[in-house]
Order: sequence, then C-alpha cells, then structure tokens
Amino acid sequence: SQWGEENLQALSIQEGEDVTMNCSYKTYTTVVQWYRQKSGKGPAQLILIRSNEREKRSGRLRATLDTSSQSSSLSITGTLATDTAVYFCATPPSNTNKVVFGTGTRLQVLP
Amino acid sequence: GALVYQYPRRTICKSGTSMRMECQAVGFQATSVAWYRQSPQKTFELIALSTVNSAIKYEQNFTQEKFPISHPNLSFSSMTVLNAYLEDRGLYLCGATGDANTGQLYFGEGSKLTVL
Repeated sequence: SQWGEENLQALSIQEGEDVTMNCSYKTYTTVVQWYRQKSGKGPAQLILIRSNEREKRSGRLRATLDTSSQSSSLSITGTLATDTAVYFCATPPSNTNKVVFGTGTRLQVLP
Repeated sequence: GALVYQYPRRTICKSGTSMRMECQAVGFQATSVAWYRQSPQKTFELIALSTVNSAIKYEQNFTQEKFPISHPNLSFSSMTVLNAYLEDRGLYLCGATGDANTGQLYFGEGSKLTVL
C-alpha cells in the first residue's frame, strides 16, 4: 500500500493477470483520485471515487473507497504490458483545494 | 478535451542560475494551478497552489523568494526556480484544475531540471 513516508512500492506481474493496489490516507476527504504516470510523462487521472460511492468502474479499472478505514484500492483486470506505469492515489483534504499524492506503486506488466 | 502544455521539457543549468517554466491550459479554465516537484524515488511535493484572484499559497519548505509564481489569467501560469542548486533537481509539474469540487488535476508533461 502507499502513503506518507513509505518507499515506493513495486509490483511485477505477467500480462493477463489481475492486480490490486492499495492506498491509505491520513486526512479526511470525500474524494480519492487515482493517477497513472508513465515513464517520462506527467500523471493522468484514471478514476475518481467519492465518499458516497463504495465502488467505481471504468473499463478494466475498479476503484473502491472505504471512508471508515480511510483506504482505497485500484484493481486492474486482464493487465496489459501497456499498463506498466506508476500508480498514485491522491486526495484533496476537506476544506482545502490542494491535492496530496501518495507515494505510488510501480507496476511492471511483463509481456 | 482538457490539456496542459508545459515547457521546457528539460533544462540543464549551472549551479546558482535560474530556470523558468511555463504552463498553458487548453480547453478549460485553469482557476487553480498547483506546482509540484517530483524527485527520484519520491512522490510529489506540493510547492504552491495558485488560484486566480487569490494569494498564492506556498507549502512549508518552499518560498516565493525561491519559487516565484505568476498566474495572470485562466490559461497560463509560470514558475521560476531561482538560484538552483543540486537539491533543486527533479521533475517539476504543473497541475491545473477548473473544478474546485473535485480538484481533478490536468498535468503537463513536466519540466526536468538538472543542475550541474
């Protein structure tokens, strides 16, 4: 899982496998965002899940949010080599309009 | 769609010199622009958040004197790294949003700063 001062997590899987990445956050928020950053690129938002949604799907992606435990997960089904990237969760803490990023999970999908 | 163009992509500068980077928002109104620094093996450090018609808010360990920011309109922002030294190396990213409710950021490709 990712957050705070934890080192960047790393996962290596085979193409076709499913993967779940976890994130826990410290400050109360009503929105969790998941971003993907490919090598040499800026991060791009994949999915945004709100506190009134326990689960949200977008194609092969599925995000969950548990506000009671202040945690979120991002799952990718049927991974492709092109899913290789670093995945970040990010939250805008309530009463602020800034976005704070987790430490990230480096996912390598081997063809 | 919403896009953010950031330039230059890479800069190599001598220690003690300065680097300016710019971001252009296309397809939406960038009411807020957040500047981040991403160092090797580290996550994103928020430098400052700039909101049009509001004061720029710098995070702890970052100052206006070191990282002056300009956000003159809803499509453009710039930041300068003054007197750059080795510890300033990294990928600088601007993230712009036009949606205050979600804070969804559209990022540029980043400006990589190398200090010799």
